Amino acid sequence: GEDVEQSLFLSVREGDSSVINCTYTDSSSTYLYWYKQEPGAGLQLLTYIFSNMDMKQDQRLTVLLNKKDKHLSLRIADTQTGDSAIYFCAENRRGSYIPTFGRGTSLIVHP
Amino acid sequence: KAGVTQTPRYLIKTRGQQVTLSCSPISGHRSVSWYQQTPGQGLQFLFEYFSETQRNKGNFPGRFSGRQFSNSRSEMNVSTLELGDSALYLCASSPGGGPSNTEAFFGQGTRLTVV
Repeated sequence: GEDVEQSLFLSVREGDSSVINCTYTDSSSTYLYWYKQEPGAGLQLLTYIFSNMDMKQDQRLTVLLNKKDKHLSLRIADTQTGDSAIYFCAENRRGSYIPTFGRGTSLIVHP
Repeated sequence: KAGVTQTPRYLIKTRGQQVTLSCSPISGHRSVSWYQQTPGQGLQFLFEYFSETQRNKGNFPGRFSGRQFSNSRSEMNVSTLELGDSALYLCASSPGGGPSNTEAFFGQGTRLTVV
């Protein structure tokens, strides 16, 4: 299987919460990231969490990390149409200079 | 602070030609990484340069090459273009001093179409 796995699509209604999930395989991961890519644009770093943390909150974004299960999630509260984008999970392994990316989850927000 | 700048934004080339893409990182950043993004393969790492040296390399054929200049600007070159090279090429810049945090800042990409 792939090193970082995400489901490909998620559809939510405007105003609901979105939860995007990610699993990774390397227990030595030190930092885990969430990036957002809007159509025709590059990747924008949304937030990251250090591996010794369980949770990080930043306005409408909540990141949860379960190190035991190697599971990372991104919760977007009160999802808006402007949140429609592809969301990439990435991990940075101990000693590595290069993050490993998942294939991205397309979030579709409908009225 | 200016972001990561990639030029050109769009390119159309013919099979067999070669192409050079450019990336100017954020001022003070010494690491530049290149990625190829396609719908089928997702985001694939090409190579990373730090202080003018290739520090990491992905699994791409030798037709893909790059370099970094003393001002940290980087170029990547693809020779003998194939239809499958059509993709969005993304450049990412990071401070690069150590492996502990590779928070990367991406440019908007160069959309290459090979016909």
